[in-house]
Amino acid sequence: GAGVSQSPSNKVTEKGKDVELRCDPISGHTALYWYRQSLGQGLEFLIYFQGNSAPDKSGLPSDRFSAERTGGSVSTLTIQRTQQEDSAVYLCASSIVAEGREQYFGPGTRLTVT
Amino acid sequence: GESVGLHLPTLSVQEGDNSIINCAYSNSASDYFIWYKQESGKGPQFIIDIRSNMDKRQGQRVTVLLNKTVKHLSLQIAATQPGDSAVYFCAEDRGAGSYQLTFGKGTKLSVIP
Repeated sequence: GAGVSQSPSNKVTEKGKDVELRCDPISGHTALYWYRQSLGQGLEFLIYFQGNSAPDKSGLPSDRFSAERTGGSVSTLTIQRTQQEDSAVYLCASSIVAEGREQYFGPGTRLTVT
Repeated sequence: GESVGLHLPTLSVQEGDNSIINCAYSNSASDYFIWYKQESGKGPQFIIDIRSNMDKRQGQRVTVLLNKTVKHLSLQIAATQPGDSAVYFCAEDRGAGSYQLTFGKGTKLSVIP
């Protein structure tokens, strides 16, 4: 079956602009996760959804970051007034149950803020 | 703070040799560990996992060893192939009720043909 998909694969934006990153999880996966990966670094947890609700948003780096999930499926990560330090690969993952286990990752969106 | 980390950031191995990638964790409450492989331009791919009630688990050409006494995790790859070249991450699940994985920084494995 289809895996996790993300769009766009690459995004170049000017500093100060808003961007939206999309994630389509594996069908039937109730849990969805967003991570950020800076160059040569590990994965930084951002936010997690169980269904449409996000019990913990504490991983979001600032109030410029927000995320939503509709219909228990597609999720959008929005970054407002982008800064150069937001440049990174944004990875989405999903899992069948919300226990952080066996997360399946998408290919990521590479965001470059100029 | 508590974290998952790796002993070796880079590892070069001759094709056909065995590879060992190490990982240290500090949270004794963690009860589940995963190794991921990330190839350039791709998202992490699940390789193998192990629960804390085990000390060894084998997959196809891969073995994960868990030493809870010293909080150490290792990934062994047998007969390393060029396609194994990637960055390998260990991740820990901090136990019941936890919903997030904590990832180490990764080890880059380069296979020399």
